[in-house]
Amino acid sequence: AQSVTQPDIHITVSEGASLELRCNYSYGATPYLFWYVQSPGQGLQLLLKYFSGDTLVQGIKGFEAEFKRSQSSFNLRKPSVHWSDAAEYFCAVVPGEYNFNKFYFGSGTKLNVKP
Amino acid sequence: SQTIHQWPATLVQPVGSPLSLECTVEGTSNPNLYWYRQAAGRGLQLLFYSVGIGQISSEVPQNLSASRPQDRQFILSSKKLLLSDSGFYLCAWGAIYEQYFGPGTRLTVT
Repeated sequence: AQSVTQPDIHITVSEGASLELRCNYSYGATPYLFWYVQSPGQGLQLLLKYFSGDTLVQGIKGFEAEFKRSQSSFNLRKPSVHWSDAAEYFCAVVPGEYNFNKFYFGSGTKLNVKP
Repeated sequence: SQTIHQWPATLVQPVGSPLSLECTVEGTSNPNLYWYRQAAGRGLQLLFYSVGIGQISSEVPQNLSASRPQDRQFILSSKKLLLSDSGFYLCAWGAIYEQYFGPGTRLTVT
């Protein structure tokens, strides 16, 4: 079945440490990939997106993500986490050019930042 | 720039009561519109999407319905709420390969 998997439900990192959030998908050959962040009680904000080209994409707030086709992954990274990064992060996939209306979301990863 | 509004922000309703959540978008025309539900500890479930006035696609069978009476207005409704309808409801607008979210409505069914 087609799916978006975020294997880590909760992650805790210390402030200043590096971060990697995992995302794997099982959709078509040319997916369009996104990461969103949600602060408690708020809507979702787009962090970054990948459509084509350079497989390492830069986003807002110092985040980046790398698309690895061979691993069907799109992991989110940040070199040094700040306390304000504590939130829930969602990976999303649009399967391809014939399904541009529909986004499929992972179940999310909650990030806790220790001082 | 585009802005998306949702109201109310929070709502507490008894089981069996009706529901109407509203979403409006400013600063764009003919957007795709979406309703998602986010249950506690779970991801986003796409409920409905619309590519134009009166055009509604339902993703999952459920106790809810959606309508789009105007280009930039999207309404989520229910005739009789169930306990399982509790959750955080998000409206989003989008164009091709874009999607932007409103602030959400927290619905608690008691």
